[in-house]
Amino acid sequence: GQNIDQPTEMTATEGAIVQINCTYQTSGFNGLFWYQQHAGEAPTFLSYNVLDGLEEKGRFSSFLSRSKGYSYLLLKELQMKDSASYLCALTDRGSTLGRLYFGRGTQLTVWP
Amino acid sequence: GAGVSQSPRYKVAKRGQDVALRCDPISGHVSLFWYQQALGQGPEFLTYFQNEAQLDKSGLPSDRFFAERPEGSVSTLKIQRTQQEDSAVYLCASSRQGSGVSGELFFGEGSRLTVL
Repeated sequence: GQNIDQPTEMTATEGAIVQINCTYQTSGFNGLFWYQQHAGEAPTFLSYNVLDGLEEKGRFSSFLSRSKGYSYLLLKELQMKDSASYLCALTDRGSTLGRLYFGRGTQLTVWP
Repeated sequence: GAGVSQSPRYKVAKRGQDVALRCDPISGHVSLFWYQQALGQGPEFLTYFQNEAQLDKSGLPSDRFFAERPEGSVSTLKIQRTQQEDSAVYLCASSRQGSGVSGELFFGEGSRLTVL
């Protein structure tokens, strides 16, 4: 099966930079997603990595190393509205196309 | 509609009752997924439809759980004889195609089920 690990909680201050790490173990890695989920709301798509390297999208960047089974989400210029749970998820070649395997999420709190 | 719509948003059931949760996906989306999210956890896969065909139901925790999508659009997740461990948020998600390629999975806000 898939073994996805990410920290349970992180805190940071407004304007700072935070890196949320995700490690995984799977036999048929296909791609890695990051989703943001505010309390009581739907998860929303942030990024998708299938090849090694850094994908930058505004204040958010996501990095993938397939050989190390490692990804991180980098959030710059933190704002209060970035307080949310960040979910690392992957797809597996041996599973239903599009089926996502999620980590438990990292609850980020941004302080003023 | 503009997004994935789920109803009811909140449902309280007594143990042993049957419940039905509805999902209205984005128009034209072929793929539809149901996930279960317990408090403080990530979503766990329940079942997958491609149009009206249920291609994967390996995540359904017991035979008390049943899902259908008879016309390839609206889907219903039914839980029979609810138990306290069924308390969770049930998320529906749709995509134009399987998101394993590069497509996004669009989630609804979920139906929060509390079983007393």
